[in-house]
Amino acid sequence: DTEVTQTPKHLVMGMTNKKSLKCEQHMGHRAMYWYKQKAKKPPELMFVYSYEKLSINESVPSRFSPECPNSSLLNLHLHALQPEDSALYLCASSRGGRDNEQFFGPGTRLTVL
Amino acid sequence: AQSVAQPEDQVNVAEGNPLTVKCTYSVSGNPYLFWYVQYPNRGLQFLLKYITGDNLVKGSYGFEAEFNKSQTSFHLKKPSALVSDSALYFCAVNRGYQKVTFGTGTKLQVIP
Repeated sequence: DTEVTQTPKHLVMGMTNKKSLKCEQHMGHRAMYWYKQKAKKPPELMFVYSYEKLSINESVPSRFSPECPNSSLLNLHLHALQPEDSALYLCASSRGGRDNEQFFGPGTRLTVL
Repeated sequence: AQSVAQPEDQVNVAEGNPLTVKCTYSVSGNPYLFWYVQYPNRGLQFLLKYITGDNLVKGSYGFEAEFNKSQTSFHLKKPSALVSDSALYFCAVNRGYQKVTFGTGTKLQVIP
C-alpha cells in the first residue's frame, strides 16, 4: 500500500470553529509532514514529525496544532483560523532519509469564512 | 543555502514533440534533487530523483532528467509529450534534516 489518505477532502469553517484534518499512511514511514499550498504556488512546509515526535515547526501560528497519535496517523487541529489560512493542506510521508522521496496525500481543501 | 529555481512559469509543447522543463540548483555539497508532478486539485506525485551516479535519471511515465554539475541544472525531459502530461511540475531539493524546498513550479501545457 503506497497511499497516503487525507480526510476530509473539503472543509469550510468559520473563524470561531474548531476542526481537525486527518492523515494516514501504512507504508511504515517514520517521517510525516504537513504542508500548506496556495493556488499555483509550491507547497510550504509547516511541520515534520519523525518517529512520532515533532522535529520541525516552521514558525507556524499557534492556531495550527499538529498531533501524531501513532506512527500511521497525523492530525492537524485548527482553531480560530483567518480567511488567509484558506488553502490546500497536504500531508506527506517518507522513510525520512535525505535521499528518500515523499509520498503525498490528495490534500484537504480548506476554506475559512 | 540550498535552493532550486524554475525559470519558466509555463511551457507549451505540441503533442508528440519532446518536452523539457528546466530546473537549476544552488547546493553546497552533494545535491539531493527531485521532480514531482501535480495534477489539478491533487497532491504531488514523485517522478524521479538524483542522488548520485549516472547523470541521466529515468523515472515514472517515461520521464527522465539530466543532472549537469557544470551548469548546475537538473532539467526534466520526455521524448514525446502526451496531452495527459499537462500538469504543474515542481523541482525540489532536500536540504537535510527532512526539509525539502520546492521550486516555484512550471505549468506544462501539451497542445493536441
